[in-house]
Amino acid sequence: GAVVSQHPSWVICKSGTSVKIECRSLDFQATTMFWYRQFPKQSLMLMATSNEGSKATYEQGVEKDKFLINHASLTLSTLTVTSAHPEDSSFYICSAATGGIGGYTFGSGTRLTVV
Amino acid sequence: AQKITQTQPGMFVQEKEAVTLDCTYDTSDPSYGLFWYKQPSSGEMIFLIYQGSYDQQNATEGRYSLNFQKARKSANLVISASQLGDSAMYFCAMREGMTGGYQKVTFGTGTKLQVIP
Repeated sequence: GAVVSQHPSWVICKSGTSVKIECRSLDFQATTMFWYRQFPKQSLMLMATSNEGSKATYEQGVEKDKFLINHASLTLSTLTVTSAHPEDSSFYICSAATGGIGGYTFGSGTRLTVV
Repeated sequence: AQKITQTQPGMFVQEKEAVTLDCTYDTSDPSYGLFWYKQPSSGEMIFLIYQGSYDQQNATEGRYSLNFQKARKSANLVISASQLGDSAMYFCAMREGMTGGYQKVTFGTGTKLQVIP
């Protein structure tokens, strides 16, 4: 089945630094990737939709200059949290559209802690 | 307005018993899809079951079945013969628009299920 590999699974960074999270589709071409953010004990909130070769579409309220999304190839999408602050600490998870019956495959998520 | 509503923050079920997790949705789009995902404490999202708005039959996948009541706009998940490994968060989700998996998905707030031995 379709597999999305997400790295790193967890990361601790200092306030003010940037962190890059990668999502790779291993056995299919992901033309569309979705990035979600999840606070503890809360639901998944869509941050942005990225399509290969074009600019990402951000949801209302999401700072596009802070959360940089790049989808330069059909197998790789990245989310960069720039100038991270403690309030950016969260669980970030990507999802690729597969077109199959399930429709979407999720990465395993990245737990970001900013200290 | 909430597109997906899950009114049960937490549920307990005895091992080997069946349990129903509630989900109601709101959309004016005639074409939509409904999903249920399981999220264990590790955080991964595990796809359980899918129901398309035009599907005549209720979806089933092993011990999971989806009780789809279109007029009521409800899509409850039924887990039969609960197992300890079923303890997790369960999310109901909806995709609006044509099939193909390229539309964004909206998630409910989730239900935490705990299976008691």
